[in-house]
Amino acid sequence: SQTIHQWPATLVQPVGSPLSLECTVEGTSNPNLYWYRQAAGRGLQLLFYSVGIGQISSEVPQNLSASRPQDWQFILSSKKLLLSDSGFYLCARRWGLGTDTQYFGPGTRLTVL
Amino acid sequence: GQSLEQPSEVTAVEGAIVQINCTYQTSGFYGLSWYQQHDGGAPTFLSYNGLDGLEETGRFSSFLSRSDSYGYLLLQELQMKDSASYFCAVNTGGFKTIFGAGTRLFVKA
Repeated sequence: SQTIHQWPATLVQPVGSPLSLECTVEGTSNPNLYWYRQAAGRGLQLLFYSVGIGQISSEVPQNLSASRPQDWQFILSSKKLLLSDSGFYLCARRWGLGTDTQYFGPGTRLTVL
Repeated sequence: GQSLEQPSEVTAVEGAIVQINCTYQTSGFYGLSWYQQHDGGAPTFLSYNGLDGLEETGRFSSFLSRSDSYGYLLLQELQMKDSASYFCAVNTGGFKTIFGAGTRLFVKA
């Protein structure tokens, strides 16, 4: 089976602090991976996607960055968090040719104070 | 710009049928998906329409009309556990998917 892990599950950070969120995927090779952010009561905003090791596409210019050091690992980072970075961060993998099905990890709830 | 429009809230009674509409304006279109998200949880995939017509999966059905840039999710025999947020999403081509803001469904006893 294919499983997506995310950690930490929750995080409270002060403004200006760094951030590192990790997503790992089991049970598949060379997955297309995504980072989304969801503000409270809102839809999902695509932040980054990756089609392979070292390949990152950014959708929204901001103070976040992403990296894919391993085929099964996708990391979201920031050097200095802003209040507006608070939200629910979801890692997803795309599955299935012609269906655009996305499977999501459990998410990380980030609060920036 | 690119946009997906869906109602913010829908309320229905247990056992009833409810339809959640989604209209879209995107630069590309390769298919419409629907996801369910319970409070505090991650979205889960419900259905996908790549071609016009109706797709049925158990109590859930989804419809697409590409000429009208419109689709809907139909939930039958509503249960209390169906109370959740429902998102439509458009694959705009390549690896990009755009999500709507979501429809909050309240199921009443």
